[in-house]
Amino acid sequence: DVKVTQSSRYLVKRTGEKVFLECVQDMDHENMFWYRQDPGLGLRLIYFSYDVKMKEKGDIPEGYSVSREKKERFSLILESASTNQTSMYLCASSLMAGLWEKLFFGSGTQLSVL
Amino acid sequence: RKEVEQDPGPFNVPEGATVAFNCTYSNSASQSFFWYRQDCRKEPKLLMSVYSSGNEDGRFTAQLNRASQYISLLIRDSKLSDSATYLCVVKGDSGAGSYQLTFGKGTKLSVIP
Repeated sequence: DVKVTQSSRYLVKRTGEKVFLECVQDMDHENMFWYRQDPGLGLRLIYFSYDVKMKEKGDIPEGYSVSREKKERFSLILESASTNQTSMYLCASSLMAGLWEKLFFGSGTQLSVL
Repeated sequence: RKEVEQDPGPFNVPEGATVAFNCTYSNSASQSFFWYRQDCRKEPKLLMSVYSSGNEDGRFTAQLNRASQYISLLIRDSKLSDSATYLCVVKGDSGAGSYQLTFGKGTKLSVIP
């Protein structure tokens, strides 16, 4: 079974800190995604990547950057964390782009920025 | 802005009941459709894809109405374990030359003993 692993389940950071959220998948999937999920707003796409060293902006990229140096790893970076970035962050991967691609999600990182 | 709309619920139903959720989408060029299930404090997982002809998986039936731009999910003989949030997901042209998934905000189901 596909395993998508996020490095931390809970994270508490201070305003202005640089924050790294790590995600690793073990099934050689081409595509990786970062979403955030907030009550009443649902899942919103931050960034995605269809290949190593390749990235594309999603719906809400402001305040975030990403890195994909290896196929299995996709990192989300908050350059200077702010309180409005307190959220549940979900990483996902899929085998290949296509109309019926199935997303596999990690268990999420609940980030609190104080 | 391409939207996917769902009734947030909660739907509180007794065990054994039949419950139906609807979802509407605004992008008429949408190509593929899904229902994901998300348990409390867990990640979403694919429940089923929704094909044009409709499809069934055990107690779950999904239907697509392209003309009216809505998708439905029917759950028969509800079990306590069906309690979760059900996310409607639509894939279509993002306008930037690629296809993206758009998630609805979810419908919460609670099955009561």
